[in-house]
Amino acid sequence: GAVVSQHPSWVICKSGTSVKIECRSLDFQATTMFWYRQFPKQSLMLMATSNEGSKATYEQGVEKDKFLINHASLTLSTLTVTSAHPEDSSFYICSASQSVQETQYFGPGTRLLVL
Amino acid sequence: LAKTTQPISMDSYEGQEVNITCSHNNIATNDYITWYQQFPSQGPRFIIQGYKTKVTNEVASLFIPADRKSSTLSLPRVSLSDTAVYYCLVGDMNTGFQKLVFGTGTRLLVSP
Repeated sequence: GAVVSQHPSWVICKSGTSVKIECRSLDFQATTMFWYRQFPKQSLMLMATSNEGSKATYEQGVEKDKFLINHASLTLSTLTVTSAHPEDSSFYICSASQSVQETQYFGPGTRLLVL
Repeated sequence: LAKTTQPISMDSYEGQEVNITCSHNNIATNDYITWYQQFPSQGPRFIIQGYKTKVTNEVASLFIPADRKSSTLSLPRVSLSDTAVYYCLVGDMNTGFQKLVFGTGTRLLVSP
């Protein structure tokens, strides 16, 4: 199956700083990638849809100015958590598919801890 | 988007067959059914996908009745390493399962 990677796998930062998380499709090109957030013992919640070469589409309740998404190439999407606060501490997961007819494959996730 | 309902948790023992049923009463004609497995602190892993009848791969089988309003994931002879959360999702293949909506999932605990 398709391989999706994320970097870093975990990050600890101080409150008020910004953190960038990368999502890469290693062996295929992905026009669209998705970003999810998962709190402990809860299910995944879709945050936004990342579209290559255009603006991301955010789900209701997700602040686009706080969670900046850039999809500059067909293999890379980045999520930047700006001015992070402790409540942003969570597990962030991306997904991608080779084409609109293909199943989505998920990255390994990034654990963010904001102190 | 079709909503899915699964049992919150299930318990089993090593070597047993586990069947997890998912209800999706308002599944649409173009919707496919996909199951993912998630271990703690990892991203979901694709298990199996199907549209109707039965699909089998090296790790699981997926049974879908004619009305497609439910589906059953069957894990043969589970081991301790199958302890995980299993998610059932439905999505339109034509749009690539855009905006996957994850339900609560089923937390499977396999004991010795």
